[in-house]
Amino acid sequence: SQQGEEDPQALSIQEGENATMNCSYKTSINNLQWYRQNSGRGLVHLILIRSNEREKHSGRLRVTLDTSKKSSSLLITASRAADTASYFCAEYNNNDMRFGAGTRLTVKP
Amino acid sequence: GAGVSQSPSNKVTEKGKDVELRCDPISGHTALYWYRQSLGQGLEFLIYFQGNSAPDKSGLPSDRFSAERTGGSVSTLTIQRTQQEDSAVYLCASSPDRGRVHLHFGNGTRLTVT
Repeated sequence: SQQGEEDPQALSIQEGENATMNCSYKTSINNLQWYRQNSGRGLVHLILIRSNEREKHSGRLRVTLDTSKKSSSLLITASRAADTASYFCAEYNNNDMRFGAGTRLTVKP
Repeated sequence: GAGVSQSPSNKVTEKGKDVELRCDPISGHTALYWYRQSLGQGLEFLIYFQGNSAPDKSGLPSDRFSAERTGGSVSTLTIQRTQQEDSAVYLCASSPDRGRVHLHFGNGTRLTVT
């Protein structure tokens, strides 16, 4: 079964704007990860945040984690048309990696 | 180095036939996962292998589904007596060890059952 839910299901923005995607999960986690999937391809790992971390940055990506609310957010700043893809969060707990349904991001040039 | 390789990339089969999907993980990766992704949907966990431990089969949707991992490397997912609802993309992923690792995905096998 799938775990977690991303919000929104779909997001459309203009190039240069910021995109924020949210993820809620249900169990305790060792870490939470975000992945990106281009159409017809496999998923690519973007960033991992440990359960004892609250915020992490990687380039134009910023991830936050609130374990009290069992939620995480992914912020993509200064978006580009090439950021168009589906974004998934994945909760990792003791070898168990479960993915949400994803957010479909469209960045219009 | 080489990534996770899945074959075939596309498979069309008739309802009732058996199919085998293959995954070659990254060399040295001890963990291997299979997921199923229906059109426009998220990933549904199927099965997980870790080294020589017994696999976690808790996600297999029915007894028509089975998977093996020979020699701790290549894995085969077998679907017997395929049904139309089995149509999906089957994704394989591997990782080097348990812990704070992330998954490396193949590009999947798109299965269409007619």
